Amino acid sequence: DTEVTQTPKHLVMGMTNKKSLKCEQHMGHRAMYWYKQKAKKPPELMFVYSYEKLSINESVPSRFSPECPNSSLLNLHLHALQPEDSALYLCASSQDLVQETQYFGPGTRLLVL
Amino acid sequence: SQQGEEDPQALSIQEGENATMNCSYKTSINNLQWYRQNSGRGLVHLILIRSNEREKHSGRLRVTLDTSKKSSSLLITASRAADTASYFCATIRDSWGKLQFGAGTQVVVTP
Repeated sequence: DTEVTQTPKHLVMGMTNKKSLKCEQHMGHRAMYWYKQKAKKPPELMFVYSYEKLSINESVPSRFSPECPNSSLLNLHLHALQPEDSALYLCASSQDLVQETQYFGPGTRLLVL
Repeated sequence: SQQGEEDPQALSIQEGENATMNCSYKTSINNLQWYRQNSGRGLVHLILIRSNEREKHSGRLRVTLDTSKKSSSLLITASRAADTASYFCATIRDSWGKLQFGAGTQVVVTP
């Protein structure tokens, strides 16, 4: 299984809502990532988890809260988002931080109204 | 600021033609990677070239790396409509795990 799955595929939420994005991989990878991608722009790194511990937080606003319940799962909890947070959110994994090749999920397209 | 800058921003070619895109970066690297993204979907890893390599092939893909010029190129030979996608170069920035992408080249291959 060389797949990273993400749910939901699409999400529409209001600025007062609380929602979560889910990412799962069964490749035994120990590093997992969240990226944000705006239209016609490259992905921007948000968070990195290594061995289930938060390794990198790229100064992301606290309305985004990552969680890594186990080595296969990565969540991104969303609360009080702004319309400018509308974007494609991509999850990725790699064998570990040193193995550079990352495997990406299909993304969750988020619209904040 | 982005570690990688790519040109051209967009490229339109016909099936069977070759497509070449370039990537420049600013700091020293251990390796450089190329990814493809079909419209609105996840990225797919294409190829990784290490700093001590000058050229690498994978199927119809050919990647070159010139560390003295801090630049890389991706050549897609005999392009197909299915090659229509955005192509990004990426390098590790500052520390392990921090993958930074170039602006990307949007390639359209028409039948």
